[in-house]
Amino acid sequence: DQQVKQNSPSLSVQEGRISILNCDYTNSMFDYFLWYKKYPAEGPTFLISISSIKDKNEDGRFTVFLNKSAKHLSLHIVPSQPGDSAVYFCAARVYNQGGKLIFGQGTELSVKP
Amino acid sequence: DVKVTQSSRYLVKRTGEKVFLECVQDMDHENMFWYRQDPGLGLRLIYFSYDVKMKEKGDIPEGYSVSREKKERFSLILESASTNQTSMYLCASTYVRVSTDTQYFGPGTRLTVL
Repeated sequence: DQQVKQNSPSLSVQEGRISILNCDYTNSMFDYFLWYKKYPAEGPTFLISISSIKDKNEDGRFTVFLNKSAKHLSLHIVPSQPGDSAVYFCAARVYNQGGKLIFGQGTELSVKP
Repeated sequence: DVKVTQSSRYLVKRTGEKVFLECVQDMDHENMFWYRQDPGLGLRLIYFSYDVKMKEKGDIPEGYSVSREKKERFSLILESASTNQTSMYLCASTYVRVSTDTQYFGPGTRLTVL
């Protein structure tokens, strides 16, 4: 049973345009949501997070939106740059379980020059 | 800067061999995790540890065991490697006293079992 789902395995965007990556979840006990970025042959690196009590968090070109009623979150990258090309994982933190995260399947973003 | 290191970047083993994957973190984090990453499946949690000598099963513990004798070191053991354990293995750690702290990942070990 996949509690965190990223239904788009890949996304291609032109440089300078907006990239929107989506994530759906089923468990109401998640207290934090995170996005990680992963380049080939490297470990994932933390990008941005949002508490379950907020609906938006912004950090430079990256904004995460949380819609609790729809159990949906999205990551917006504006403007997209070729260096943003990577696999993006959505993750949800389980409340009171020592930082345990449940990850989605990942979306491979390709930003074309 | 947090540093999580893994003993090998690439490893090739034969079916039936015992395999040790080592992970070390230098930030005095309490919690450590082992994941495997497979295409289309994302990161799946194998085992995690809250403290020295403590361990908890994750979502896919079958065929694996772990050891945490020191706070900074968390080992993943494949008792008898099988071809379906060919994967990318990722170790992570986190400092749970800070509620917003995230998991920090090592570079990964690409394991191939022949």
